[in-house]
Amino acid sequence: GENVEQHPSTLSVQEGDSAVIKCTYSDSASNYFPWYKQELGKGPQLIIDIRSNVGEKKDQRIAVTLNKTAKHFSLHITETQPEDSAVYFCAAGGSARQLTFGSGTQLTVLP
Amino acid sequence: GAVVSQHPSWVICKSGTSVKIECRSLDFQATTMFWYRQFPKQSLMLMATSNEGSKATYEQGVEKDKFLINHASLTLSTLTVTSAHPEDSSFYICSATPGRVGNQPQHFGDGTRLSIL
Repeated sequence: GENVEQHPSTLSVQEGDSAVIKCTYSDSASNYFPWYKQELGKGPQLIIDIRSNVGEKKDQRIAVTLNKTAKHFSLHITETQPEDSAVYFCAAGGSARQLTFGSGTQLTVLP
Repeated sequence: GAVVSQHPSWVICKSGTSVKIECRSLDFQATTMFWYRQFPKQSLMLMATSNEGSKATYEQGVEKDKFLINHASLTLSTLTVTSAHPEDSSFYICSATPGRVGNQPQHFGDGTRLSIL
């Protein structure tokens, strides 16, 4: 089955700086890669996703890049704000119905 | 759009009782719903996948007689933890996908924190 590794487990950045979270996956058949943000006591919220036919996708301050050859994908958050502080999960799968989640990254944006 | 509501958000009960958790898709029809379990500071572990009108598919190691799942309509799935014990205490989260093909993302509810005394 699919195995997703996520790094780092914790990340602290100064407000206004960029944050990068990286994930690797094992199954070359995976072609859907979402990122979720989970605030304390809440369920995960989809923030961006990418499919294997696209190398990069951007939505305002958030971007995701995918390298299918190397089997890794990354989340980039620019101009971080305190409200970006949360746990971020990557996931990979053959479709949105078959996801394996990474272990999560606790992002803290320091004011 | 794509709002998933989960109820209750928090439940505390005595060991041996059964607890039912509801998951509703509020503004779309969900042919497939998923149930996850999350321990503190850990990732989401898929417990089962439920399709409307059919039996749920459980992941390896998940006791189907312990965690009863019903998906009787396109907007409601329920998870019943039967004869709950302290080791069943956890954060349970549901998600749902619209449509009948695999290209729609999963949308999550806000979870249910279950504490068994």
